[in-house]
Amino acid sequence: QQQVKQSPQSLIVQKGGISIINCAYENTAFDYFPWYQQFPGKGPALLIAIRPDVSEKKEGRFTISFNKSAKQFSLHIMDSQPGDSATYFCAAPGGSQGNLIFGKGTKLSVKP
Amino acid sequence: DTGVSQDPRHKITKRGQNVTFRCDPISEHNRLYWYRQTLGQGPEFLTYFQNEAQLEKSRLLSDRFSAERPKGSFSTLEIQRTEQGDSAMYLCASSSWTSGNDEQFFGPGTRLTVL
Repeated sequence: QQQVKQSPQSLIVQKGGISIINCAYENTAFDYFPWYQQFPGKGPALLIAIRPDVSEKKEGRFTISFNKSAKQFSLHIMDSQPGDSATYFCAAPGGSQGNLIFGKGTKLSVKP
Repeated sequence: DTGVSQDPRHKITKRGQNVTFRCDPISEHNRLYWYRQTLGQGPEFLTYFQNEAQLEKSRLLSDRFSAERPKGSFSTLEIQRTEQGDSAMYLCASSSWTSGNDEQFFGPGTRLTVL
């Protein structure tokens, strides 16, 4: 059974700083690695995803870096804002059919 | 474009009662997933449908749980004889799946509390 290990569990960053969250996976039938953002009482929202024909994907202030040989990927949030305060989940395919296995989440707090 | 919707948003029930949740996916999405999320944890996969066919069920899905997607559109998740351990957020997601491409979009969830 695929496991996804996410760290840190919680993160406090000053406004304008860089937030970095890391994930490691064990194996996967195909390459698709999304990050989700979740606010309290809401469902997870797809933030950014990567298919590792590339090692990095950037969308605005959010960047995924992927290291296939190490089976690791990370989310970087540049110029972090208080509105980014949320819980972030990484995920990896759990099997050949596409169900996702999620990490335990990182609670990000951005201080003004 | 409407997103994934779930009904009800909150459900409080007594132990032993049956409950049913509904999910309406994004139109034309052929895949529909059910996940469960407990406090402080990531979503855990329960089951999924491709069109009306239920293709996979997690070991988390005990015999008390049943899911249907009769016409390949909306889906229902029923829990029979609820237990306190069933208290969780039940999330539905949908996707337009092609090989290697499965962007799953989640609904707001149904929060179940079993007393």
